Amino acid sequence: KAGVTQTPRYLIKTRGQQVTLSCSPISGHRSVSWYQQTPGQGLQFLFEYFSETQRNKGNFPGRFSGRQFSNSRSEMNVSTLELGDSALYLCASSLTARNYEQYFGPGTRLTVT
Amino acid sequence: TQLLEQSPQFLSIQEGENLTVYCNSSSVFSSLQWYRQEPGEGPVLLVTVVTGGEVKKLKRLTFQFGDARKDSSLHITAAQPGDTGLYLCAGEGREQTGANNLFFGTGTRLTVIP
Repeated sequence: KAGVTQTPRYLIKTRGQQVTLSCSPISGHRSVSWYQQTPGQGLQFLFEYFSETQRNKGNFPGRFSGRQFSNSRSEMNVSTLELGDSALYLCASSLTARNYEQYFGPGTRLTVT
Repeated sequence: TQLLEQSPQFLSIQEGENLTVYCNSSSVFSSLQWYRQEPGEGPVLLVTVVTGGEVKKLKRLTFQFGDARKDSSLHITAAQPGDTGLYLCAGEGREQTGANNLFFGTGTRLTVIP
């Protein structure tokens, strides 16, 4: 069974631009969560989607948004990029919304200059 | 937010040595998971412990969940270079909003020197 895939793997953007990251969960998994990982803050929860609905949201500004499609694929968008948004963005899938055994993708490394 | 503190933050040991990593919190968790993350990759789930006092073994790795379900430890016997990575604990708990969530620890970066 294929794992979680994320595209692109690497991205360089300029301050003020916006970016969209994509995540395809493991086949049959219906829950997708997004995390931001930085050396200083560690792994921080952004949001979780289940059946195309945002189920839970972390403490991030409204510039961070996401959505989930009917095939469970998910995208996250960051608008008006700031230098501090440089991070590894990880997507994780799980079978259901109440199953916390998460399977992570390799991440998208975003660098904002 | 429920805080999970891991110690030590960094650990560098020789191949063949034993080590223990700790994950502590003042909050009670329904379950606790351990992940290992290698450079350039996402975290990989190692184990989930659910019951207070539970001990699980995965080859040379032994995981224990505290009796009060507030803390956990990971013990590695005869460490090998392949054990090198970032070890993360994650507890399933309840947000102030009442929603369940998974809270990640601060991480322990382990280097095993051949």
